[in-house]
Amino acid sequence: QKEVEQDPGPLSVPEGAIVSLNCTYSNSAFQYFMWYRQYSRKGPELLMYTYSSGNKEDGRFTAQVDKSSKYISLFIRDSQPSDSATYLCAMSGMNRDDKIIFGKGTRLHILP
Amino acid sequence: DAGITQSPRHKVTETGTPVTLRCHQTENHRYMYWYRQDPGHGLRLIHYSYGVKDTDKGEVSDGYSVSRSKTEDFLLTLESATSSQTSVYFCAIRRPMNTEAFFGQGTRLTVV
Repeated sequence: QKEVEQDPGPLSVPEGAIVSLNCTYSNSAFQYFMWYRQYSRKGPELLMYTYSSGNKEDGRFTAQVDKSSKYISLFIRDSQPSDSATYLCAMSGMNRDDKIIFGKGTRLHILP
Repeated sequence: DAGITQSPRHKVTETGTPVTLRCHQTENHRYMYWYRQDPGHGLRLIHYSYGVKDTDKGEVSDGYSVSRSKTEDFLLTLESATSSQTSVYFCAIRRPMNTEAFFGQGTRLTVV
């Protein structure tokens, strides 16, 4: 079982819809959970991060962590064509020396 | 902007030739990383560094070496490039108070 699993997609949704992106993981030592957005031919950019369980909201984006289920989600409300990108989940332990483990990314297309 | 510059941005090289990629940061952070990104594999850690002359191997280090003689520069060398090393290479840093990684714009390397 891989440490982090993420459906590669592609996921196509109409503009204005709510998007749900998800990852599962197996290592219970993970404490920090991150979402990166990567546009074509660009580097990944940090979108949101959360510590331990719970929700975090930033504008149209909400990150959710359920440590009991080892499941994290990113919700995008009122999706826009500019949200079309690859979204990577990532996670790490408490120590900054811990490696960051990335999911393989989900390709998202928002249809105008 | 995390102050990371990768050079070159694009390179085509022949099999068997040595290649060096450079990552330069302007913020003098200790933690620096080299990843490669390939379709179906996501981001994979090649080498990392926790300071000057302090480097270690990641999960896909075979065929690669690194050097860190100055805090701001982290060099990745392919001693004898092979076609399997055709990839997009990303450098990343971690800031002292953050667990998250911040990425450069990438180097697209093609080995022919």
